[in-house]
Amino acid sequence: GAGVSQTPSNKVTEKGKYVELRCDPISGHTALYWYRQSLGQGPEFLIYFQGTGAADDSGLPNDRFFAVRPEGSVSTLKIQRTERGDSAVYLCASSLTSGGYYEQYFGPGTRLTVT
Amino acid sequence: AQSVAQPEDQVNVAEGNPLTVKCTYSVSGNPYLFWYVQYPNRGLQFLLKYITGDNLVKGSYGFEAEFNKSQTSFHLKKPSALVSDSALYFCAVGQGTGDKIIFGKGTRLHILP
Repeated sequence: GAGVSQTPSNKVTEKGKYVELRCDPISGHTALYWYRQSLGQGPEFLIYFQGTGAADDSGLPNDRFFAVRPEGSVSTLKIQRTERGDSAVYLCASSLTSGGYYEQYFGPGTRLTVT
Repeated sequence: AQSVAQPEDQVNVAEGNPLTVKCTYSVSGNPYLFWYVQYPNRGLQFLLKYITGDNLVKGSYGFEAEFNKSQTSFHLKKPSALVSDSALYFCAVGQGTGDKIIFGKGTRLHILP
């Protein structure tokens, strides 16, 4: 079956611009997670959804970052007024449901470069 | 708050030898522990997890990990390494009161032919 997909695979934008990153989880998975991975680091938690609601957004670095999942499936991570420090690989993952002990299935990531 | 440490940035092992990739953790309650692997130009893949029960858990590709509560460790092991095991390995920890898991910085495993 289809895995987690993310689009675009690469995004280059200028400082100050707005970007949207999309994640399409595995069908039937109710939990969806966003992470950011910088070079040489492990994935850093940003936010997770159970269904349509953001259950934990404690990892969002500031109010320039926002994510939605309006129908409980596809999610969009939105970054306003991008900064060079936002450059990273943004990973999306889904799991069957929330609960912490379910393994997560990761997408290939979106590489964001802010120039 | 939970945290996880992978003390080795890189581990080199000769093909056919046993391998160990180290991980220690810190949580306030009972931990959920995971190992993920990242191959070049591919997404993270789940290898194995410990939730409860037997301290030795077996996972994909012949890997296993041992949960040691007294040492707060969850080291990844394999009896005989393959060149194809060369990749970046991440340990992660969650805890029962929440759904967030925290990843370590990763350990790059090089299997030498």
